[in-house]
Amino acid sequence: SQTIHQWPATLVQPVGSPLSLECTVEGTSNPNLYWYRQAAGRGLQLLFYSVGIGQISSEVPQNLSASRPQDRQFILSSKKLLLSDSGFYLCAWTGDRARRGDEAFFGQGTRLTVV
Amino acid sequence: GIQVEQSPPDLILQEGANSTLRCNFSDSVNNLQWFHQNPWGQLINLFYIPSGTKQNGRLSATTVATERYSLLYISSSQTTDSGVYFCAVGNAGNNRKLIWGLGTSLAVNP
Repeated sequence: SQTIHQWPATLVQPVGSPLSLECTVEGTSNPNLYWYRQAAGRGLQLLFYSVGIGQISSEVPQNLSASRPQDRQFILSSKKLLLSDSGFYLCAWTGDRARRGDEAFFGQGTRLTVV
Repeated sequence: GIQVEQSPPDLILQEGANSTLRCNFSDSVNNLQWFHQNPWGQLINLFYIPSGTKQNGRLSATTVATERYSLLYISSSQTTDSGVYFCAVGNAGNNRKLIWGLGTSLAVNP
């Protein structure tokens, strides 16, 4: 079965420090991968998505970047964190053609606090 | 783009009560999912239901695609049902992206 791993679960970082969040998917190949952010309140905002290795689409211009160095690995990065980068970051995948190709499944999330 | 509205925004129930959550969307969709976000933040898939009716235990969902709404029914609610319920939709032109409602925050009191 397919699983998605996301780490770390929580992170406290000072302003100006770099960031690297990692997400990996097991049990499937060529998934579509996504990074979402959920700020205080409830809405989820799509940050990046990727349909293949090295293919990244950015939804919202900001202080973050994403990379996909391997088929089932998706990384969210920043060179210098801002206070406004605080939030709950969620990785997701779709694309299991054997089931419902567009059903999204989420990792457990990373709660980032920038201080 | 598609707009998604959920109602009510907040709901408080006594354990054992039933409830109906609604999701309205502004355009045709071929993907609709209901999620439960637990107090630890994890998003749990409840239903993938672009049309029709499905049931899973005490939960059921109905999507009437022609009228652009979906309903999530919770029967005999339990305290563990507390959390935020999200509806998210996608359509053929936008299928890699889910458009999210703002959720319904549910508190079930013992």
